[in-house]
This record gives sequence, C-alpha cells and structure tokens, in this order.
Amino acid sequence: DSGVTQTPKHLITATGQRVTLRCSPRSGDLSVYWYQQSLDQGLQFLIQYYNGEERAKGNILERFSAQQFPDLHSELNLSSLELGDSALYFCASSLTSGGPYGYTFGSGTRLTVV
Amino acid sequence: AQTVTQSQPEMSVQEAETVTLSCTYDTSENNYYLFWYKQPPSRQMILVIRQEAYKQQNATENRFSVNFQKAAKSFSLKISDSQLGDTAMYFCAFMTTGGNNRLAFGKGNQVVVIP
Repeated sequence: DSGVTQTPKHLITATGQRVTLRCSPRSGDLSVYWYQQSLDQGLQFLIQYYNGEERAKGNILERFSAQQFPDLHSELNLSSLELGDSALYFCASSLTSGGPYGYTFGSGTRLTVV
Repeated sequence: AQTVTQSQPEMSVQEAETVTLSCTYDTSENNYYLFWYKQPPSRQMILVIRQEAYKQQNATENRFSVNFQKAAKSFSLKISDSQLGDTAMYFCAFMTTGGNNRLAFGKGNQVVVIP
C-alpha cells in the first residue's frame, strides 16, 4: 500500500457521460498530480494541485477538470466522455510542489468508455 | 519542453542474469532529477531509484544501479541478479528543479524475467 488511495479502481461508462475520480494523497503530502496512461500516449501529465491551489496544467482537455479540497483530497472530473478517454488514470502525491524525491502513486482508476 | 527517450521496447532476461535499460533525455537545464519507476502487472507505479544531476556518483539501490552520464544526457538502469518479481514495465522520468515542475516520462521498456 503506497498510502495514496484512488477510487474507484474500475469504472465502465457510456459515451457522453460524466464521471468523477477520487484521490486521497499520502498523509502529510500537500501536492497532488493527475496522470493519464494510455497505450498510444504513454503517461501524460494532466494537472497539479498544491495545498488547494492549481499549480500546473499539462495536456488536460477542456472536458476535464479537477480540484483539491481543504482536506487535501482531489477529484478529477471527466465529462462528455469519448471512447478515446478510456485509459488508466493515476493520482500521485508529494510533500512539496515539485517533489524532488519523486512522487508516490496510487494504484490507478481504470476507465473504460463504451 | 523536456523529452525522455527509451528504446528497446521489450527485453527478456534469464533469472539471475543482468539487464540494462537505456534512457536519454533532452534538456537545457543544469540541475534536475532523474528517476526510474517500475510498473508490474498490478499496474502500480513504484519508484525504483533516483539521481540528482549535481551528484556525480551513480545511485544504487540494492540490485538496481544507474549509469548517469550528464554530458551525454544518458541515464541507464542496470538490474543485477534478476528475479521473477522484476518483470515489469520500466519508465525513465525527468524533472527539473523548482516548485512547479512535474515528472516527464519516457514510453517505457518491458522487461520479462524468464525462469
């Protein structure tokens, strides 16, 4: 157990729907990162939050949004889902923004859009 | 933007043997961090080893060691005495220093350890 908790582990939904992925960072970590892993694109950085504030954006679609709450858990919202959004979504956390000691990853949420 | 390149998409190695994975990166920065992560069939991303660019000494973690060549922008991973549990996808990752930077990953190398 890495200490980073992601729920749900698996999610199957239809095109056009909206889903929310949840992440609880490791205890004491203030920074949360979201990554998308697909076969053709590899691991793509989506967005980073630090202590409730957005710090950096990567290749995140406008249909996707995220937030970090006062208790530091984070949610990634995916809307108007398309088949191509099927992927493994990882949350990771680190103590500081920038995480020079690397990130601790959760076990991921497998999203399947049908 | 920094890019990380991994070749040799799939490699097989006999148990107890040694395998080396290559990684190159492109950056104009002088200070940065390099990492190797493994992703076994469970899909969990696990940090294997890290290297700080300002340190000349190559990092070692038990059976895992790196060969960091800063001038060549090369960061290879050596797995010694390979074990069945080492079967995984291995990702090289790069991060510049500073507070708003994030890990950039290579495409990964699949390593299969054969009994």
